[in-house]
Order: sequence, then C-alpha cells, then structure tokens
Amino acid sequence: GAGVSQSPRYKVTKRGQDVTLRCDPISSHATLYWYQQALGQGPEFLTYFNYEAQPDKSGLPSDRFSAERPEGSISTLTIQRTEQRDSAMYRCASSSDRSSGNTIYFGEGSWLTVV
Amino acid sequence: DQQVKQNSPSLSVQEGRISILNCDYTNSMFDYFLWYKKYPAEGPTFLISISSIKDKNEDGRFTVFLNKSAKHLSLHIVPSQPGDSAVYFCAAREDNDMRFGAGTRLTVKP
Repeated sequence: GAGVSQSPRYKVTKRGQDVTLRCDPISSHATLYWYQQALGQGPEFLTYFNYEAQPDKSGLPSDRFSAERPEGSISTLTIQRTEQRDSAMYRCASSSDRSSGNTIYFGEGSWLTVV
Repeated sequence: DQQVKQNSPSLSVQEGRISILNCDYTNSMFDYFLWYKKYPAEGPTFLISISSIKDKNEDGRFTVFLNKSAKHLSLHIVPSQPGDSAVYFCAAREDNDMRFGAGTRLTVKP
C-alpha cells in the first residue's frame, strides 16, 4: 500500500478481555516495528520483525503481549487479559532494508482504552 | 531505560528566529540518528537524518548536528515558521532497533 495502515483506529475494551491490533506495512518494506506511545511521551519500542523473523521482542512489557508476522507482511499485536495500564496509542512503523537509509514510516496508530 | 533523552518538553520561538531542539543519548552503538515531526492526530513523519560518520546534515531550513563525543545531537530550524509548530522526536538506531526521545513541543509564534 501507499502508507502504513493500522486498524482499528480506536478500540475500547473491558479489563480482562483480549485485543488484537493489525498493521499493514508499506508493501516493499522488510522491517516492521511496534511501538507503544503514552500521552505526552515518545514512542516506546516493543518489538520488530525482519520479514517473518522477530529478532527482538525485549520491549514487550509482559508475556500478555505478543506479536506475529507469519507471512512477512501484515502483522498483529495481541494483548491478552488487558489491564488499564495497557491504555495507550499503539503505533506500527515499517522500513525498507537497512542499506537504504533507514527511514521508518509510521502508521496513524491504534488508540486502545481499557475500562 | 531511557537511551534517548529530550530534556526540554517544550520550546517557544518567534517567527523568523532560529529554533534549536536538543537530544542526548547514552548508547555509543547507535549509528544513525533521525528527527521526526508530529502534528496532532497524525503519526510521526520523517524530517531529517544523520549517520554517525558525519557531524552535520543540512536540508533546506533544517540542519542536524551530531557531537559523538558528547553523545548529543541538535536540530536547527532557520528561519522558523508558524507551520513548524509540532512535536519533534529524536530517534537513534542500532541495527534495526530504533529508540525515541519523549519529544519536544515547538511553538512558533507569528
């Protein structure tokens, strides 16, 4: 696609429910990132993929968080048993391979509110 | 562990003057640095970058300076325009790991 697309844009869920967020990166991009951004803060790294490989998931705050990119394109971020502290903007970003200058392009984000 | 820090949450300058946004980092393995600009309700958009082998990169009104020994970079906007009012994020890369600062809100007054 022309840009990074995320869905849903807004999600309100009850505490304890599972939620899945979706990211559709720029079609030629090998690398896909997930970030969590609280109000007034910069994006905090969660995890990234090179195609379907997930070399680094050190930023995932707990084992309730998981991400997949099974075919190296679309990715999902799943939060199980959501808690109120999970409320944040979840941003997906993508970039082409490392040799091409490394600009990353962000989607508009998915706002998650846990009530 | 905040590896990239923007210590000024906000900055206000007059139109036509210089805006200087600062960023400090702690990880000497970072090899590429980027600045992103974010308007409300939009995702951050790429602005300018610099490789660790350089100390300056210029693109129109925007110049990024890198001081590796001080682990410090700065973004200069000259002359500042009201449309530059936004939140600016500094980012640093090690391999494919990108870390961001908390952002500085720039307000350019007409």
